[in-house]
Order: sequence, then C-alpha cells, then structure tokens
Amino acid sequence: ETGVTQTPRHLVMGMTNKKSLKCEQHLGHNAMYWYKQSAKKPLELMFVYSLEERVENNSVPSRFSPECPNSSHLFLHLHTLQPEDSALYLCASSQDLGSRDRYLNTEAFFGQGTRLTVV
Amino acid sequence: RKEVEQDPGPFNVPEGATVAFNCTYSNSASQSFFWYRQDCRKEPKLLMSVYSSGNEDGRFTAQLNRASQYISLLIRDSKLSDSATYLCVVNMSGGSYIPTFGRGTSLIVHP
Repeated sequence: ETGVTQTPRHLVMGMTNKKSLKCEQHLGHNAMYWYKQSAKKPLELMFVYSLEERVENNSVPSRFSPECPNSSHLFLHLHTLQPEDSALYLCASSQDLGSRDRYLNTEAFFGQGTRLTVV
Repeated sequence: RKEVEQDPGPFNVPEGATVAFNCTYSNSASQSFFWYRQDCRKEPKLLMSVYSSGNEDGRFTAQLNRASQYISLLIRDSKLSDSATYLCVVNMSGGSYIPTFGRGTSLIVHP
C-alpha cells in the first residue's frame, strides 16, 4: 500500500475540458512534486512544493496549474490541454530535512500515477 | 550536457548473469543519490540509496564516485523478475535539492 495516493488513475479529456488531478500523501513529508512521463522519455519535473511554497517551476505551460493547500495535498489543474500532453502524471513526496540555507531530501515516494489521454 | 545521464540500453542478459549500469551527473554539489526501479506502466519505486562508501543489498551493489561524478549499480545472479527500467536519481541543488531523474536503463533478463 503506497503512502502516496493519486486520483483518478485514468483520465480521458477533450481539449476544451477542465479537470484536476489530486495527490495525497500520508507519510508526513513536507515536499511534494509533479512529474510528467511521456512514452519513451525520461521523467520531467513539472512543479515542486516544499513547505507549501512553490520552489521551482520548470517553465511548464500555463495550461497546467498546481495548487498545494497544505503539506499533505497537491493538485494539478488542467485546462485547454493539447494531445501532446497525454502522458503519465506522477506525484511524489519527500522530506526536506533543512540545514541552514540548504536543504537535503530523503528519497522520493511516488503515487501510482494518473494516465491522461487528451482527445 | 544533461543533468543525469544513463545508457538507455536495453541490456539483454541471460538468467544468472552479472550486469552493471552506470550513471553520470553534472552538478558537483549534489548530495543524495538513489537507484529506482520502474516496471512497465507502473510508478518508480526506490531500489536503494547510494552512499559514499558504497553499499550492498543482497544481489545489488551501488557505488558512488564523487570525484568523477559517477554512480553505478551492479546486479549479480540476475533473475527474470529483475527485468525493468532502472532509474538513476540525483538530488540536485537549485535552492532546494530536487530529485532529478536519468532517462533510465532498460534491463531484460531472459531464460
């Protein structure tokens, strides 16, 4: 049983739809991430939230909008997506150990992912 | 230069073989290193952390060379169930330490 739960597991949406992906972690971690994994491509980091503040955004298109209301929940809001956005979206969490002005992470734990198809 | 580089393979080996994967990383300030395993259409799962002195877990041995910015994973006595993609992960400095993934190395163990 994973400590990181993602819903839905599968999603098919049209290009004009708005939907949201949800992630919940039960591990007491203080950092959460969204990754995108397209077929035959490496994992791409989309968003990072550490201590509920967005730490890094890798120039992801604005049609993807993250929300982190607290340290246990993370959302990815989707609107007007393109077919090339079809991919596996993975949520992960880890613990930022914090050391002065530098942070050390423990290993990341992943949810089972949402397989998104944009039609 | 990519931040974390791995040979994508595939490595196609018979049962019982010993196989080694390599990974290089670009950021010398990186602090934490891991190997993950990902099965087809599943999420990545932690296989083992990589420590400076090297570490072993059963048939799996991980090594870290900070001077060369290089990580390795050795699998001895390969099993059919070892077939998967192995991902090298480096926590890179960018303010916070962000888990950065390599492309992954595909391993196929055949009878």
